[in-house]
Amino acid sequence: EVQLVQSGTEVKKPGESLNISCKCSGYNFATYWIGWVRQKPGKGLEWLGIFYPGDSDSAYGPSFEGQVTISADMSITTAYLQWSSLKASDTAMYYCARLEDWDSYFDSWGQGTLVTVSS
Amino acid sequence: DIVMTQSPDSLAVSLGERATINCKSSQTVLSSSNNKNHLAWYQQKPGQPPKLLIYWASTRESGVPDRFSGSGSGADFTLTISTLQAEDVAVYYCQQYYNSPGTFGQGTKVEIK
Repeated sequence: EVQLVQSGTEVKKPGESLNISCKCSGYNFATYWIGWVRQKPGKGLEWLGIFYPGDSDSAYGPSFEGQVTISADMSITTAYLQWSSLKASDTAMYYCARLEDWDSYFDSWGQGTLVTVSS
Repeated sequence: DIVMTQSPDSLAVSLGERATINCKSSQTVLSSSNNKNHLAWYQQKPGQPPKLLIYWASTRESGVPDRFSGSGSGADFTLTISTLQAEDVAVYYCQQYYNSPGTFGQGTKVEIK
C-alpha cells in the first residue's frame, strides 16, 4: 500500500528556518516524482514544486522559486520542504503527493502539515 | 502559466440529482505526443487532503464510484456526479498537468440542497 506520512504541525516566528518531511513507503521511491502543494486557510490548491529522487531533478512554480527548497533522502525514502527564512504569508497547509512523471497527476497524497508563522 | 477556471464557484444539488462542474483552461492541454488530455479532477472533503478522482480527463481512479465521470477535450472539461450522495459534499478541483507548473482551478464547492 502506498503511504505518504508527513511530519506534524509547526508554529514558527518570522525569519526562522523550517524543514517539514514526507515519509514515503509502499513503492519504489527512486522512480516516482514527489510534489508539494500549498493550501492557505480557506483557499484553493497551489502547485509549489516537484522533485525526482532518482536524479535530484526539480521544478518550482514561479511564485515559489527561490523561496523554498525541495529535497529528498533516498536512504530513508523521505522528501523534504525547506524554508530558510519564513514569512507570515507562508502560513498554510502543505501537502506532499506522488507523481508518476513530471507531467503527471498526483495519485497519492500525504495527510498534510500545518505551518503557522506568527510573531 | 496555464490558467484554469472552474464554474460555478459553488452549487447546491438535491440528493439523487445530477451535479455538473465545468473547467476551462487558457490553452489546450491535449498533447499531440500521446493524444491525451492532461487534466485531472480531485475531491477534497473538509479536514482531508485532496483525493484523485479522474485523470486523463475521463479515466476514473481505482475505487472511485462510477457516478463520477469526466469528459471534454482540448480546453473545455466537465466533471459530472450523476446521482449526488450525501458523502459527495466536498470541494472539487481540476488540474492541468500539461505544463509546469501544474495549475489548479479555484475549486467548486458542492452542497446538498
